[in-house]
Amino acid sequence: ETGVTQTPRHLVMGMTNKKSLKCEQHLGHNAMYWYKQSAKKPLELMFVYNFKEQTENNSVPSRFSPECPNSSHLFLHLHTLQPEDSALYLCASSQAITGTEQYFGPGTRLTVT
Amino acid sequence: GQNIDQPTEMTATEGAIVQINCTYQTSGFNGLFWYQQHAGEAPTFLSYNVLDGLEEKGRFSSFLSRSKGYSYLLLKELQMKDSASYLCAVRDRQAGTALIFGKGTTLSVSS
Repeated sequence: ETGVTQTPRHLVMGMTNKKSLKCEQHLGHNAMYWYKQSAKKPLELMFVYNFKEQTENNSVPSRFSPECPNSSHLFLHLHTLQPEDSALYLCASSQAITGTEQYFGPGTRLTVT
Repeated sequence: GQNIDQPTEMTATEGAIVQINCTYQTSGFNGLFWYQQHAGEAPTFLSYNVLDGLEEKGRFSSFLSRSKGYSYLLLKELQMKDSASYLCAVRDRQAGTALIFGKGTTLSVSS
C-alpha cells in the first residue's frame, strides 16, 4: 500500500464504548497529525507527533487519547464520547513538522449515538 | 488569533476560468496552502505560497500578497472533475506547526 491509510473507514459507537482509530503512513515521513472535520466547520488540528513525540495538543478533551508507537503508525483512542464528537477524523503526515505538504488519509467517519 | 475567510460556494461552467479568493489574518505568517477535497475523500495538496507572487502548476495557479493578507486559487479550463471543496490553509508561527484551515469553498462545475 502507498500513502496514508486509515481504518476503519466508518465507525458507529455508543457513548459508553471504547474504540480506536488507526492510521498508517507508507511515505517515510517523520511527522503525523490528527484532524477533526465537522460539517460546516474548518478542519481542526487535534494532535501533532514528531519522531513519535507529541509536540502539540490543541486543547483536545481527554476522551480523545492519541498514541504513536513509531513514526509510521498513529492511533486515536476514543472513550465516553459525546454525540457532538461525530465527525470525519483525518490523519495526515509530512516529511517534517516544518515541511510543506501534508498528505491526508481518507478519514474515518465517526458517528456517536 | 487567526482568521481565514473564503466564499462558501461558487459555480462555474466547463471550460471557464474561476478564481477562489482567500483572506487571512495571522500574527506570524509562515506560508499558505491550497487543498482540494472531493466529497467523501481526503484533502489533496494543490499549492504552497510563502513569497508574494504567482505559482503556476498546470491548470491551477495560486497567488499570494502578504501585505494584503490575500491569496487566490485560479482554475483554468474547468472540467467536471474539478467540482470539489477547495481549502485555504495558513501556517502561523504563533500556532506552532499547525495549519489553520478556512471552511472551504465548494465549487460546482456544470456542463
